[in-house]
Amino acid sequence: KQEVTQIPAALSVPEGENLVLNCSFTDSAIYNLQWFRQDPGKGLTSLLLIQSSQREQTSGRLNASLDKSSGRSTLYIAASQPGDSATYLCAREGGSEKLVFGKGTKLTVNP
Amino acid sequence: GAVVSQHPSWVICKSGTSVKIECRSLDFQATTMFWYRQFPKQSLMLMATSNEGSKATYEQGVEKDKFLINHASLTLSTLTVTSAHPEDSSFYICSVRAPYGGTEAFFGQGTRLTVV
Repeated sequence: KQEVTQIPAALSVPEGENLVLNCSFTDSAIYNLQWFRQDPGKGLTSLLLIQSSQREQTSGRLNASLDKSSGRSTLYIAASQPGDSATYLCAREGGSEKLVFGKGTKLTVNP
Repeated sequence: GAVVSQHPSWVICKSGTSVKIECRSLDFQATTMFWYRQFPKQSLMLMATSNEGSKATYEQGVEKDKFLINHASLTLSTLTVTSAHPEDSSFYICSVRAPYGGTEAFFGQGTRLTVV
């Protein structure tokens, strides 16, 4: 069974702090891994996509890494802001275009 | 701008009635669209793969007669929840993939269905 685990389930930090969100998956035969942001009651916004041949991707204050051998991906958020408060989801694809999601990490950045 | 448009964003219906949810790909033609469901505090779970011009492919445990999918054109897929019951109350969201071998997935705004 393909499983994706995200730790922690919830995280609360003061504004300005750098933070790391973790994602682990059981099947190392990964095609790509994608990080999303979900605001309450809203759809998903794609943040970063890491293909299997890549080790990391960066967009602004966000950096995502992928270690296939250990089955892990991390999302690094630098200088966090209250507007970063949301649930962050990671999803792996095994090549069938189907995404398997973790339960997410709910991030709260306090002013 | 939005790549995928989903309508309605929320709907309340009576038990036993049917509800149709639309998913439109705005920026490109999509031969394949994906329908996911998310229960509170749970992961998004793939329900079915919608294929333009052919039958949808359903995941294990998803009733095809209850969740009717029609992919009538290259930009529109619909999900109809038939004879809805309170346990069908959930967040339904569709997704399309970037074309021409693109791997990025784009999602609609989602539809919050409440069956009373």
